[in-house]
Amino acid sequence: AQSVAQPEDQVNVAEGNPLTVKCTYSVSGNPYLFWYVQYPNRGLQFLLKYITGDNLVKGSYGFEAEFNKSQTSFHLKKPSALVSDSALYFCAVRDPTTGFQKLVFGTGTRLLVSP
Amino acid sequence: DVKVTQSSRYLVKRTGEKVFLECVQDMDHENMFWYRQDPGLGLRLIYFSYDVKMKEKGDIPEGYSVSREKKERFSLILESASTNQTSMYLCASRPQGSFNYGYTFGSGTRLTVV
Repeated sequence: AQSVAQPEDQVNVAEGNPLTVKCTYSVSGNPYLFWYVQYPNRGLQFLLKYITGDNLVKGSYGFEAEFNKSQTSFHLKKPSALVSDSALYFCAVRDPTTGFQKLVFGTGTRLLVSP
Repeated sequence: DVKVTQSSRYLVKRTGEKVFLECVQDMDHENMFWYRQDPGLGLRLIYFSYDVKMKEKGDIPEGYSVSREKKERFSLILESASTNQTSMYLCASRPQGSFNYGYTFGSGTRLTVV
């Protein structure tokens, strides 16, 4: 079965420091990978995706993610964290086993950026 | 911008009630999805629809049904609400075909069953 793992329930970082939110995946075939962010009492917002091409993907709000095929990872990164980045982050992978291309989500990682 | 609108932000229902959660999208997307979100479990797919009147079960369909009579509207129905269906429910849509667009989510409905 297709799956993603987010090994950290919570990540704490000080404002101005770099942040990393980890994600590993398991999928048959070529992975289509996504990151979404959820602010309190809101739905999920798309941040970035990897379909093919450059292993470093740039997305919204200064976030980027690095695709590593050998380690089956897709970690989310940002060079300098902001307090406003505090939110819940979800990694997702396309499930290619159906014709409808569902997304399978991880359990989420809460990011807390302290002033 | 694509909008996915969920009719209620908060709902409180009694055990045994039939509950309707409504979702409307305004960009003519073929695919629509219902997920529930629970702490520590992430998002789990309940049902999805790939076209009008077409539906497929997701990973946790038990206790739920869906209706898609019009392309823009996808309804989730709790046939007889139970306390273990207390959760955040998220609707999403995307166009058929290329995955370049990912999903667009609504703001969610937080349902409490008492």
